[in-house]
Amino acid sequence: ETGVTQTPRHLVMGMTNKKSLKCEQHLGHNAMYWYKQSAKKPLELMFVYNFKEQTENNSVPSRFSPECPNSSHLFLHLHTLQPEDSALYLCASSQDGGGTDTQYFGPGTRLTVL
Amino acid sequence: KNEVEQSPQNLTAQEGEFITINCSYSVGISALHWLQQHPGGGIVSLFMLSSGKKKHGRLIATINIQEKHSSLHITASHPRDSAVYICAVRPDDKIIFGKGTRLHILP
Repeated sequence: ETGVTQTPRHLVMGMTNKKSLKCEQHLGHNAMYWYKQSAKKPLELMFVYNFKEQTENNSVPSRFSPECPNSSHLFLHLHTLQPEDSALYLCASSQDGGGTDTQYFGPGTRLTVL
Repeated sequence: KNEVEQSPQNLTAQEGEFITINCSYSVGISALHWLQQHPGGGIVSLFMLSSGKKKHGRLIATINIQEKHSSLHITASHPRDSAVYICAVRPDDKIIFGKGTRLHILP
């Protein structure tokens, strides 16, 4: 498999559940990103990992917990979410975390919180 | 005022028409990205520009750094070009997205 993959593609969870989103990139990149896209709002950058180290956290609530065990894998652990967290969650990767890098996106996980 | 403004917000055109989508930004940037988001949510990175012009197939992207403006052009548009086109700029370590332009090409 090539490119950036995300699983699951769709997820419905209750507010008390704990779930995880997974992202895997097969591009040999060193930087990975989590984005959130809510309905009718621009994409929001949540987290950036560069060489497995978190380099950016854009004031994301602690109910979202990222994990980057290696440069190819990125997880987003979810717990006690709110209905307003329902959104499309997109993962991306780039060669490094520099500002001039092209980012390659996964297909996204559409999350619904009941 | 948003730091990245796209126009138009929505655009419907006939197949074959020449399409222009505009992006203006108010911050200094190191690069500007054009992204395409299909109805299912998947995003494709089309271009990354820091100056001048780039062409890929029927798509052309230009940027004027002095005027803080970029345009995305589609020649000989086709219904499969129907998508949301998003402009994003990267000043320093942030990335700022426009709200997108929803393009619908009619057969």
